[in-house]
Amino acid sequence: GQQVMQIPQYQHVQEGEDFTTYCNSSTTLSNIQWYKQRPGGHPVFLIQLVKSGEVKKQKRLTFQFGEAKKNSSLHITATQTTDVGTYFCAGPVDDYKLSFGAGTTVTVRA
Amino acid sequence: DAGVTQSPTHLIKTRGQQVTLRCSPISGHKSVSWYQQVLGQGPQFIFQYYEKEERGRGNFPDRFSARQFPNYSSELNVNALLLGDSALYLCASSLYNGEAFFGQGTRLTVV
Repeated sequence: GQQVMQIPQYQHVQEGEDFTTYCNSSTTLSNIQWYKQRPGGHPVFLIQLVKSGEVKKQKRLTFQFGEAKKNSSLHITATQTTDVGTYFCAGPVDDYKLSFGAGTTVTVRA
Repeated sequence: DAGVTQSPTHLIKTRGQQVTLRCSPISGHKSVSWYQQVLGQGPQFIFQYYEKEERGRGNFPDRFSARQFPNYSSELNVNALLLGDSALYLCASSLYNGEAFFGQGTRLTVV
């Protein structure tokens, strides 16, 4: 079955620095979704990418969908303490469920 | 508008017992999905219901069952609880297969 993998598992970032987290699928995806889960919280939808090569920006967050629609990335610039949390990518499988990656847990050093 | 609501928020059960978790979706959302999230992992799909019918089931044993009511709320039942069932159980509603709106979850501890 489809597997969605994320790297790195952990990202320790100095406040103000940039970082990127990557998501790879074993199969082509119709779309890719990104979620953020704060410590002790629940996943919150960030964005959905649908088109091959699509790039979307949300303030300091840049999301990209690969040309083959099998990979995606999330780039955060000028990391802030509010960016702390776990970022998940998820792809639809069998038209009814989301397959989540294991997530990238981000900690920020002030 | 109220978001997805789940009850209870926390629950402690003994091995072998049965548990029922409840979820109310966002008004107008007819699709409800259940996920299990173990500490340090991403949510794992358990069930999806759409218009009161089961549309899909994840790789979980038959001890797990669910249903959706005419008002689109849903219940997840787990029988014969095992220690390994301890997890955060998340309910998500969506319009169809769009973005998923998650509830706060029910943290189940099996002792």
